[in-house]
Amino acid sequence: GNSVTQMEGPVTLSEEAFLTINCTYTATGYPSLFWYVQYPGEGLQLLLKATKADDKGSNKGFEATYRKETTSFHLEKGSVQVSDSAVYFCALSAGFNKFYFGSGTKLNVKP
Amino acid sequence: DGGITQSPKYLFRKEGQNVTLSCEQNLNHDAMYWYRQDPGQGLRLIYYSQIVNDFQKGDIAEGYSVSREKKESFPLTVTSAQKNPTAFYLCASSISGGDPEAFFGQGTRLTVV
Repeated sequence: GNSVTQMEGPVTLSEEAFLTINCTYTATGYPSLFWYVQYPGEGLQLLLKATKADDKGSNKGFEATYRKETTSFHLEKGSVQVSDSAVYFCALSAGFNKFYFGSGTKLNVKP
Repeated sequence: DGGITQSPKYLFRKEGQNVTLSCEQNLNHDAMYWYRQDPGQGLRLIYYSQIVNDFQKGDIAEGYSVSREKKESFPLTVTSAQKNPTAFYLCASSISGGDPEAFFGQGTRLTVV
């Protein structure tokens, strides 16, 4: 079946620290992979995506590379800001218009 | 601007009452979804629809109902049979086939008192 596993939070970092949030997946076929971000009291916003192996998605300083050999899609950012504090969700789409989400990782960035 | 509109943002209802949450999109997407989110939890799929007049149960459909009479609209009714309806409800839509990504509304926070 299809599923997404991401590291549990919360993750607490100081401003300008390096961020990694781990995400691994299981899927049938060739999924597309996504990272979404959710700010308090709001819906989810697409942060970045990758549609095939070795693709790198990037946006607002965040990056993630689709690694088929390790079934991973880890989110990274070189220097986090207080404004990056949010909940981050890894997700996949594996056909039939169904999306599978991880449980979310809360990021707290302290000034 | 194209997007998904959920209304209302906050909703309070008495226990035992049915309540309907609105979701409208003007993105011309065929597929629409309803998710439930509880505090500190991920998203759980309630219902989804890939085309007008058709919908399928997700993982936690019990106590909920939906309709898809128009492409733009996918309302969710939380019935009195739902044992624990207080939650944050998210509606999403996507294209069918190809390389879809889900677009989300701003959510409705339902509180049952």
